[in-house]
Amino acid sequence: GQQVMQIPQYQHVQEGEDFTTYCNSSTTLSNIQWYKQRPGGHPVFLIQLVKSGEVKKQKRLTFQFGEAKKNSSLHITATQTTDVGTYFCAGQGGTYKYIFGTGTRLKVLA
Amino acid sequence: DGGITQSPKYLFRKEGQNVTLSCEQNLNHDAMYWYRQDPGQGLRLIYYSQIVNDFQKGDIAEGYSVSREKKESFPLTVTSAQKNPTAFYLCASRRGEEQYFGPGTRLTVT
Repeated sequence: GQQVMQIPQYQHVQEGEDFTTYCNSSTTLSNIQWYKQRPGGHPVFLIQLVKSGEVKKQKRLTFQFGEAKKNSSLHITATQTTDVGTYFCAGQGGTYKYIFGTGTRLKVLA
Repeated sequence: DGGITQSPKYLFRKEGQNVTLSCEQNLNHDAMYWYRQDPGQGLRLIYYSQIVNDFQKGDIAEGYSVSREKKESFPLTVTSAQKNPTAFYLCASRRGEEQYFGPGTRLTVT
């Protein structure tokens, strides 16, 4: 079946350093979403990408969707302690059915 | 105050017992989802419902059952047939592209 993998599984950075997580699907996706889950919390929707090669920015966060619509990335510039959490990608695997990636847990050291 | 509520936050059961997890939303969303989250595995889809009185199996439906008799409610029953029920269970509803998650129920079966 369809799988969505994320790397790395864990990332520790010093505050102020950049961070990137990568998401790869075994099949072509119609769109991809990104969520953030704070420790002890629930996932919160960040953004959705739909078009091949699409790039979207939210302040220090940059999201990209690959040309083949099989991969995506989230880049955070100059991390802050508030960025701590687990970042998930989710690809649409069928009508209204989403396949979540394994997540990247980010720790930011002050 | 609109949102999704899940109760209880923590639930403990003995092996062999069925248990029902509650999920209620007052967002007037048609679509609702149940996910299971285990460490290092991201979110896995158990069941989803696009409309009242209709639901579909997700990727890991075995040992679970749901009902959708009301738009606001989508309870999940974890049956004794579920071989490894201890996990964090998340309910979500969807409007357009965005899924809104509840706070989750952490189920421990011993």
